[in-house]
Amino acid sequence: QAVLTQPSSLTASPGGSASLTCTLRGGFNVASYRIYWYQQKPGSPPQFLLRYKSDSDNQQGSGVPRRFSGSKDASANAGILLISGLQSDDESDYYCMIWHSSTWVFGGGTKLTVL
Amino acid sequence: EVQLVESGGGLVQPGGSLRLSCAASGFTFRSYWMSWVRQAPGKGLEWVANIDQDGSEQYYVDSVKGRFTISRDNAKNSLYLQMNSLRAEDTAMYYCASWGDWGQGTLVTVSS
Repeated sequence: QAVLTQPSSLTASPGGSASLTCTLRGGFNVASYRIYWYQQKPGSPPQFLLRYKSDSDNQQGSGVPRRFSGSKDASANAGILLISGLQSDDESDYYCMIWHSSTWVFGGGTKLTVL
Repeated sequence: EVQLVESGGGLVQPGGSLRLSCAASGFTFRSYWMSWVRQAPGKGLEWVANIDQDGSEQYYVDSVKGRFTISRDNAKNSLYLQMNSLRAEDTAMYYCASWGDWGQGTLVTVSS
């Protein structure tokens, strides 16, 4: 079982919101980790969106709109990327990542369709 | 403005070697852990290797241990990845990255 699990796809409507989840495998407590989120469009490198550990420990990427926000669901042991006011340009692949024992671990990515 | 510019990719036969380079600018390179991440065609991101600020600690994904070596030269603001005994499954776009910034990538194709 992968350390980080993301739904492979998600469809949401323009102007609406999308909640992208990143679920940590048992033995990895979400409270212990900063969750990093990246957006990747076809043919381009990933771009850092934000990282979130808590409301007092989080950082937005440079130039990233506030309609991208991070949170956690402790009961689900998951990190969440919430995108509000969806635009067609938000259609991308989204990856979560954690630092674990000086290594990086990526989720498999979620393809967001805005339709 | 932060810039990470990779070079050194190309077509190589199985069993061959390549050395990737990454030139960094616009930030205090010596203060950051640096990483190589790869992405096979049509696939997700896979972390390859990390190196700490002074190069004394290196970490690798299991599939490249013993074949790849990450290194850095802080005087030259440069990151490297020496890749030996290349396999077809190493074919990917290779990105140089810190957690907040990524290069454009360099394509490595391993094929006979």
